Amino acid sequence: DVKVTQSSRYLVKRTGEKVFLECVQDMDHENMFWYRQDPGLGLRLIYFSYDVKMKEKGDIPEGYSVSREKKERFSLILESASTNQTSMYLCASESPRGYTFGSGTRLTVV
Amino acid sequence: EDKVVQSPLSLVVHEGDTVTLNCSYEVTNFRSLLWYKQEKKAPTFLFMLTSSGIEKKSGRLSSILDKKELFSILNITATQTGDSAIYLCAVEVAGGTSYGKLTFGQGTILTVHP
Repeated sequence: DVKVTQSSRYLVKRTGEKVFLECVQDMDHENMFWYRQDPGLGLRLIYFSYDVKMKEKGDIPEGYSVSREKKERFSLILESASTNQTSMYLCASESPRGYTFGSGTRLTVV
Repeated sequence: EDKVVQSPLSLVVHEGDTVTLNCSYEVTNFRSLLWYKQEKKAPTFLFMLTSSGIEKKSGRLSSILDKKELFSILNITATQTGDSAIYLCAVEVAGGTSYGKLTFGQGTILTVHP
């Protein structure tokens, strides 16, 4: 079974801090995705990557950047965290059944 | 812009009831429609639908796709408290740089009371 691991389940950060969310998959998948999930809005795509060092903006990239230096790792970066970035962040890796998701990181920005 | 809309947004039922969750979509280059169940953490895969009119079943859950009318339904019969979750519908589009990208609906929050 594909495993997608997000490094933190819960994070609390201060406004203005730089935040790194890490995601690792163990199946050599090329496609990886970062979503945020908010009540009533569902999952919205922030960034995705089809290969190492390759990235594409999703629907809501503002305030975020990403890094894919190795195939198995896809990092989401909040350059200067703001309170409106308080959310659940889900990483996913593409598999034959659509996506396999990580367990999510609940980020609170205070 | 690709769009996926789920209804209802929330639903409260009692154990034993049957529920129907709806998902409609407007996308370019449809490839597949997927249903996920999300409890406390990661969404887990339920169904992938690519062909119209063919029902997929797994225990008490079933789903069908209508590609002409652009919607899908997820049925749960004889609901149990363990069915309480957020049910997510997503559509995958094909081709070009959008390959493999899923667009999600808002989700339906199902609560099953004993």
